[in-house]
Amino acid sequence: GAGVSQTPSNKVTEKGKYVELRCDPISGHTALYWYRQSLGQGPEFLIYFQGTGAADDSGLPNDRFFAVRPEGSVSTLKIQRTERGDSAVYLCASSSPGRGGSYDTQYFGPGTRLTVL
Amino acid sequence: RKEVEQDPGPFNVPEGATVAFNCTYSNSASQSFFWYRQDCRKEPKLLMSVYSSGNEDGRFTAQLNRASQYISLLIRDSKLSDSATYLCVVRGGATNKLIFGTGTLLAVQP
Repeated sequence: GAGVSQTPSNKVTEKGKYVELRCDPISGHTALYWYRQSLGQGPEFLIYFQGTGAADDSGLPNDRFFAVRPEGSVSTLKIQRTERGDSAVYLCASSSPGRGGSYDTQYFGPGTRLTVL
Repeated sequence: RKEVEQDPGPFNVPEGATVAFNCTYSNSASQSFFWYRQDCRKEPKLLMSVYSSGNEDGRFTAQLNRASQYISLLIRDSKLSDSATYLCVVRGGATNKLIFGTGTLLAVQP
């Protein structure tokens, strides 16, 4: 079946601009995660949604970053007043509930490569 | 100190070699452990989960030592197609977020 999809695949913007990154999870997956991966580093957690609500947003670096998932499916990560340091690959992952209340494997999308000039 | 630490490599090995990667984690409350594989400019993909009893999947063997907070991955009979970055990953008890190491780059040479 279809995996996690993310759009756009690449985004180039200028410092100070606003950007939106979209994630379409695997159908039926109730959990959705955003991560950010800088060059030479592992992915870094940003935010986790269970359904429509943000269950853990402890990884958002500051208030310029915001994410929504209004209908419990597609999610949008929004970055205001972008800075050069925001340049990274933004990865989305989704998972379904596993046994005993735990969560199943997180499947990653191909990512959006954001470049802030 | 990072929550998950790995040697970034690169590990350059000839085809057929056995190679081992190690990883340590700092949060003793961590409950789930994984190795993910990431090819260049691609997304991470689950290679295998890691259990205290140790587990094997073909040429790959993973081990977890909870007392030492140490995770390992052994690859036997390396193939050219094994060339990738191997990410050590931990999932915490109170949250479902994954915490990644920086990754270890493996280059298998012909």
